[in-house]
Amino acid sequence: SQELEQSPQSLIVQEGKNLTINCTSSKTLYGLYWYKQKYGEGLIFLMMLQKGGEEKSHEKITAKLDEKKQQSSLHITASQPSHAGIYLCGAAGRLTFGEGTQLTVNP
Amino acid sequence: DGGITQSPKYLFRKEGQNVTLSCEQNLNHDAMYWYRQDPGQGLRLIYYSQIVNDFQKGDIAEGYSVSREKKESFPLTVTSAQKNPTAFYLCASSISFGGYTFGSGTRLTVV
Repeated sequence: SQELEQSPQSLIVQEGKNLTINCTSSKTLYGLYWYKQKYGEGLIFLMMLQKGGEEKSHEKITAKLDEKKQQSSLHITASQPSHAGIYLCGAAGRLTFGEGTQLTVNP
Repeated sequence: DGGITQSPKYLFRKEGQNVTLSCEQNLNHDAMYWYRQDPGQGLRLIYYSQIVNDFQKGDIAEGYSVSREKKESFPLTVTSAQKNPTAFYLCASSISFGGYTFGSGTRLTVV
């Protein structure tokens, strides 16, 4: 089965700093989803990537899927406390998820 | 409006009892999924179903059971065999394997 590994598992940054979260798949990705969540709440869809080399942005968040379609990165520019939460990458198909990255942004 | 509904939002269960979590969707989606989440962690797939009357085990199916008698409904039963059932449970649905919609979750606590 396909496995997704996220790094880092947790991240604490100062407000205004940039940060990157990585997601590596054991198999070729046919679609990669990024979600944001707070524990005990539903998921907020951020973006979906399908094509190798694809890059999408929404406000201060940019996600990329590498050419080989086995790794994706999520980059947040000028982080804010509102960015805090758990970031999850999910592989299309059975929709399996990585273990998540817990992001804390200190004011 | 179409959507996916999970109920109840909070559920308390005595140790040794079975409990069923409800998941209903009116999106006409073929596929449905159940996930478990523990504090500070990601989502782990329990069961999924691509079509009525068919379902497959996910990564952590032990201690859980499901049924898919109707396209709209995919209830999850947490049995007494589940050693540590206290967790947050999320249901999702999709058109085949894409376009996922998530419910708002059920928080189960064993007392």
